[in-house]
Amino acid sequence: AQSVTQPDIHITVSEGASLELRCNYSYGATPYLFWYVQSPGQGLQLLLKYFSGDTLVQGIKGFEAEFKRSQSSFNLRKPSVHWSDAAEYFCAVGDNFNKFYFGSGTKLNVKP
Amino acid sequence: DGGITQSPKYLFRKEGQNVTLSCEQNLNHDAMYWYRQDPGQGLRLIYYSQIVNDFQKGDIAEGYSVSREKKESFPLTVTSAQKNPTAFYLCASHDRVGVGGNEQFFGPGTRLTVL
Repeated sequence: AQSVTQPDIHITVSEGASLELRCNYSYGATPYLFWYVQSPGQGLQLLLKYFSGDTLVQGIKGFEAEFKRSQSSFNLRKPSVHWSDAAEYFCAVGDNFNKFYFGSGTKLNVKP
Repeated sequence: DGGITQSPKYLFRKEGQNVTLSCEQNLNHDAMYWYRQDPGQGLRLIYYSQIVNDFQKGDIAEGYSVSREKKESFPLTVTSAQKNPTAFYLCASHDRVGVGGNEQFFGPGTRLTVL
């Protein structure tokens, strides 16, 4: 069965520090992978997506993610975190039947 | 601007009452979804519809019902049979062209509180 694991529930980083949020997935075929961000009480906004081609994808707000098939991972990175990045981040997998599977989310706190 | 609207943003209900959450999209997307979000549990799929007049149960459909009479509308009814309905509800849509390679678009959510 398809599943997505985000092992870190909460992460705290200092402003200006680098960030890596982990995502592991379980899916039998080539996955469609997504990272979304959610501010409190809001909907989800797409940061980036991968479905083929270059395994390093660039997204909005300076985020990037790397697809590693051998590790079944799609980790999100940012070289320098800003206070406005504090939010909850969700990794998701889409299948070939228009269904999507979400991780439980990682809450990011940014220290000044 | 194209997008998804959900109304109301906050909803209060007494136990034993049914309540309907609205979701409208003007993106011309075929597929629409309802998710429930609880702290620490991510998004759980309630119902989804890939075409007008058709919908499928998701992982937690018990106590919920939907209809899809128009392409742009996918209302969710939370019935009195739902044991713990207090949650944040998110509606999403998806362009089926390209299958899963396209992302979902999300509405701003409705927070339902049962008093």
